[in-house]
Amino acid sequence: AQKITQTQPGMFVQEKEAVTLDCTYDTSDPSYGLFWYKQPSSGEMIFLIYQGSYDQQNATEGRYSLNFQKARKSANLVISASQLGDSAMYFCAMSAPTDSWGKLQFGAGTQVVVTP
Amino acid sequence: NAGVTQTPKFQVLKTGQSMTLQCAQDMNHEYMSWYRQDPGMGLRLIHYSVGAGITDQGEVPNGYNVSRSTTEDFPLRLLSAAPSQTSVYFCAALKGANYGYTFGSGTRLTVV
Repeated sequence: AQKITQTQPGMFVQEKEAVTLDCTYDTSDPSYGLFWYKQPSSGEMIFLIYQGSYDQQNATEGRYSLNFQKARKSANLVISASQLGDSAMYFCAMSAPTDSWGKLQFGAGTQVVVTP
Repeated sequence: NAGVTQTPKFQVLKTGQSMTLQCAQDMNHEYMSWYRQDPGMGLRLIHYSVGAGITDQGEVPNGYNVSRSTTEDFPLRLLSAAPSQTSVYFCAALKGANYGYTFGSGTRLTVV
């Protein structure tokens, strides 16, 4: 069984600063994918970034980067130069093809508030 | 190109009523899933499908049915609504892992 843990229920960060959101996972599958999603107060789920377990390099997407430490089973999201529009709930999730790509397991989420 | 379309956006049901939440995608994606989101919790998988005609249960399937007769549509049926099914429901479709899942805008369901 897969499990995703996000230990930070909420964080405050000042505008223009970087913030790291923690995510640890547990799986016995050798092949898996890790995802980060943003959910603003409007409620939609926005895909941010993906990391495959066999990817050699950490994923980056604009101001988002994923600090992937496979041995420690962690996949932390780093948001650089925070903006007020980054205030949202952030979810870490994983899926494994040996189970099914159709099954996405989510963490409980981290609420980020960006202050001026 | 609408992506994933969910209807309705809001619904109030009485206990014991049945209804179908609609989900349609225009991206020809094989994988589709239904999730529910309760306050303070992440999304939990209800049912998923790996292609037309193939569905399977997720983490919280009780009280819900699905079918996938076409690639485009993946409706979720509540058989006999209960207050515990009050939640926000999301449908999602996956093209490929690198692209992430595309989510619908959600259905806020209240069962009274």
